[in-house]
Amino acid sequence: GAGVSQSPRYKVAKRGQDVALRCDPISGHVSLFWYQQALGQGPEFLTYFQNEAQLDKSGLPSDRFFAERPEGSVSTLKIQRTQQEDSAVYLCASSSKPGQGIPDTQYFGPGTRLTVL
Amino acid sequence: AQSVTQPDIHITVSEGASLELRCNYSYGATPYLFWYVQSPGQGLQLLLKYFSGDTLVQGIKGFEAEFKRSQSSFNLRKPSVHWSDAAEYFCAVGYSGNTPLVFGKGTRLSVIA
Repeated sequence: GAGVSQSPRYKVAKRGQDVALRCDPISGHVSLFWYQQALGQGPEFLTYFQNEAQLDKSGLPSDRFFAERPEGSVSTLKIQRTQQEDSAVYLCASSSKPGQGIPDTQYFGPGTRLTVL
Repeated sequence: AQSVTQPDIHITVSEGASLELRCNYSYGATPYLFWYVQSPGQGLQLLLKYFSGDTLVQGIKGFEAEFKRSQSSFNLRKPSVHWSDAAEYFCAVGYSGNTPLVFGKGTRLSVIA
C-alpha cells in the first residue's frame, strides 16, 4: 500500500518568505509527527497530532512555526518569515495507534528539503 | 533529558566484512529501541526494534541488534556487509505511548570493494 508522502520534495525560499509543507500519512493512521533534520544531524521532534488534535508542540523552535491537521488526515507545516537557520529536511511520520502503552512503529515519508537563501 | 549517542560518525568497511554500529541511550525507565536506515534522498526505513523479551532481535536485510541493559547499549550488527548497505544509520529511543522518538546523530556507513 501507499506509504507516507510529502510535498514538495524540494523547496527553495528567499529569507522572509512563508512556506507550507504537506504530509499525507498512511491511510487510517491516527498519529502524525513532524521532525526537523538539519544537515549531518538526526531528526528532532517538532510536533505531534492524534487525529486532528495537536497534543504536543514542544519541539517547535519559534512562533513562526505552525502545524495543523484539520480533518485528522493530511497535515501542513507552515513556516512564516523563513530564516536561513530553517534550512533543513522536514520529515513527517505516521503510526496507527493513538497512544499509551508500547509505542507503535513510526513510518516516515521521504521528507521535504527546505533551503532558505 | 533523554539522549542517544552514536559515537561513530563515519565507518568504512569492506564488502563482505562484518559490521557493528554502536548506540548508547540514557534513560532510567525501560526504553523502546529502534534502528532506522536512511539512504540519500529517502526517508527513514525501520530496520528493527526492541520492546521486550529476547534481547537479541532480528531485523530486515540481515541486520540484528542486541539490547544490553547493563551497558545501556543497543548495537547493530551484520555478519557480511553488501555494497547496498551504504547509507546513514540512526538509533532511536521511544517511551510509553506515542511519544516522539529521540534520535542519535547517525553513523554514515561507506562500503568499499
